[in-house]
Amino acid sequence: DTGVSQDPRHKITKRGQNVTFRCDPISEHNRLYWYRQTLGQGPEFLTYFQNEAQLEKSRLLSDRFSAERPKGSFSTLEIQRTEQGDSAMYLCASSLGDGYTFGSGTRLTVV
Amino acid sequence: AQSVTQLGSHVSVSEGALVLLRCNYSSSVPPYLFWYVQYPNQGLQLLLKYTTGATLVKGINGFEAEFKKSETSFHLTKPSAHMSDAAEYFCAVVRSTSYGKLTFGQGTILTVHP
Repeated sequence: DTGVSQDPRHKITKRGQNVTFRCDPISEHNRLYWYRQTLGQGPEFLTYFQNEAQLEKSRLLSDRFSAERPKGSFSTLEIQRTEQGDSAMYLCASSLGDGYTFGSGTRLTVV
Repeated sequence: AQSVTQLGSHVSVSEGALVLLRCNYSSSVPPYLFWYVQYPNQGLQLLLKYTTGATLVKGINGFEAEFKKSETSFHLTKPSAHMSDAAEYFCAVVRSTSYGKLTFGQGTILTVHP
């Protein structure tokens, strides 16, 4: 069990650019979640997958955000045409039953 | 729908003093409840969780929490604070009937003074 891995740890991008983040869950976990966390706030749910199926997507998630989990293993989160308001920590978690494990996050800074 | 309210965005205690971080939840179905700790620029680490069984749950680093259904609360306590406990703490809830997404509170920053 190597935990949940996220890559990159930090990303600085110019406004208007596209960015993609990767999450590798714990191998036996069937569910994978993406959260966004801004300073002083709790993690905010974005979307989650059971195996390769995207089961829920937050209404707060704009059309510029898309997530995939091909083959039910790793997942990617893409943000198109980044805005300064997208600057945040993006957390990935995986679960099996009631056991949830979080990665260390990707910190995005949009300049 | 589920929601979590953490009373007090900042709590300050002296080293060796009791730590009490408050969490109240709302859930339409029986909940599972979690406490996570987050150190700066890191992910979330599970402290403890309540699913079924004993309502007093013991976790890592000397923390414990008690599920009180009548009060819809799941407060986190530690008898004696240590400097290393300084961090941000998050309470979270999930539906016990379907698991799925965790819903988090706004967090409480714990400061420990020498």
